[in-house]
Amino acid sequence: QSALTQPASVSGSPGQSITISCTGTSTDIGGYNYVSWYQQHPGKAPKLILYDASKRPSGLSNRFSGSKSGNTASLTISGLQAEDEADYYCTSYINSGTFRVLFGGGTKLTVL
Amino acid sequence: QVQLVESGGGVVQPGRSLRLSCAASGFTFSNYGMHWVRQAPGKGLEWVAVISFDGSNKYYADSVKGRFTISRDNSKNTLSLQMNSLRAEDTAVYYCVKESGDNHIAALDYWGQGTLVTVSS
Repeated sequence: QSALTQPASVSGSPGQSITISCTGTSTDIGGYNYVSWYQQHPGKAPKLILYDASKRPSGLSNRFSGSKSGNTASLTISGLQAEDEADYYCTSYINSGTFRVLFGGGTKLTVL
Repeated sequence: QVQLVESGGGVVQPGRSLRLSCAASGFTFSNYGMHWVRQAPGKGLEWVAVISFDGSNKYYADSVKGRFTISRDNSKNTLSLQMNSLRAEDTAVYYCVKESGDNHIAALDYWGQGTLVTVSS
């Protein structure tokens, strides 16, 4: 099973909005709503920022939002801030006869 | 607060074994599924394995199936990963990760700081 497809990099200026896509297939993203997104700063552990495609953990900024359409999930960050510069990973549950979790390749967000 | 502290990483020769441990605190460990996720140096995240809250179900990535074994001791709030027949491509930081529960499948809400495993001769 190949990794979910994310753009290698995206960039935006402070205050702008950016969207990161995550493309899978009908057996993962398209088949379930179990898509999560993680933010990882250099040298740090990942942090959950969205789950079930569009839900935010308690206390997380509403500048982060998510959606899903067909086999593609999206993460949108509005009002970009310098501290948003990080790597972002999407994941999806996949049930190909057994339980598995599939990660995207990761997207490097640069705040210009 | 939730804390996950991994230990057991180090340098090991190809073909040898290593056992990772994760000490959990700050939540009712026996209520939650637990995962191991790894990250090779400079690379992305890769899911390794999951174990259900009671240890009755275990699932593995194809890349480690048959070589790695995930287990837990709910009496000691400890998660383990037994890694056998290690290969150079197993070199990575290994994270112990808590699942959020409440049927939010694969939503991983707390991560340890990671422990580095280096497989090299």
